[in-house]
Amino acid sequence: DAGVIQSPRHEVTEMGQEVTLRCKPISGHDYLFWYRQTMMRGLELLIYFNNNVPIDDSGMPEDRFSAKMPNASFSTLKIQPSEPRDSAVYFCASSDRPDYGYTFGSGTRLTVV
Amino acid sequence: GQNIDQPTEMTATEGAIVQINCTYQTSGFNGLFWYQQHAGEAPTFLSYNVLDGLEEKGRFSSFLSRSKGYSYLLLKELQMKDSASYLCAAASGGSYIPTFGRGTSLIVHP
Repeated sequence: DAGVIQSPRHEVTEMGQEVTLRCKPISGHDYLFWYRQTMMRGLELLIYFNNNVPIDDSGMPEDRFSAKMPNASFSTLKIQPSEPRDSAVYFCASSDRPDYGYTFGSGTRLTVV
Repeated sequence: GQNIDQPTEMTATEGAIVQINCTYQTSGFNGLFWYQQHAGEAPTFLSYNVLDGLEEKGRFSSFLSRSKGYSYLLLKELQMKDSASYLCAAASGGSYIPTFGRGTSLIVHP
């Protein structure tokens, strides 16, 4: 079991550019979550999917953020256009039973300059 | 919404016992999670409590009092590798999807 796989590990981009973060959940996990972590705000839920369907996207900051899950083994989080305040660590997590906790990926550290 | 409160930082000595407290205010409470996060790494799941009482898992134990909106994580026989951030998270509204607190940074010194 390779765990939750995220790419890239680090991303530095210029303000205004499009950024795409990728996630491969653990096989068999029906739930997929995107979180953002900053020193100021801690760990925030952005969106989560169940069986590839978005269930709650109320945490998505604004229309610049979008997430997709085209199949059970792949999800993307896209920011367009990116802004310096989007700089954070973005975690993807998956679970087969959320009451048993999540398995987090290693995260993508995004820096927007 | 939810409000989760835990101390920002704690220090303790190797071999000692430390208790990290967490209070929460939420509607439709559906369980309390604890996660451990080492610097620069992802959070890892430690425990989930939905019933009152203490649950022990090796050197780590987690306690819940639903009536008081209170939980604690107890770490025994502290080791240097226990230096990390400990995140308290409460699920509510009939789902198991938690809202995380800001975390308590635990520093274990020799």
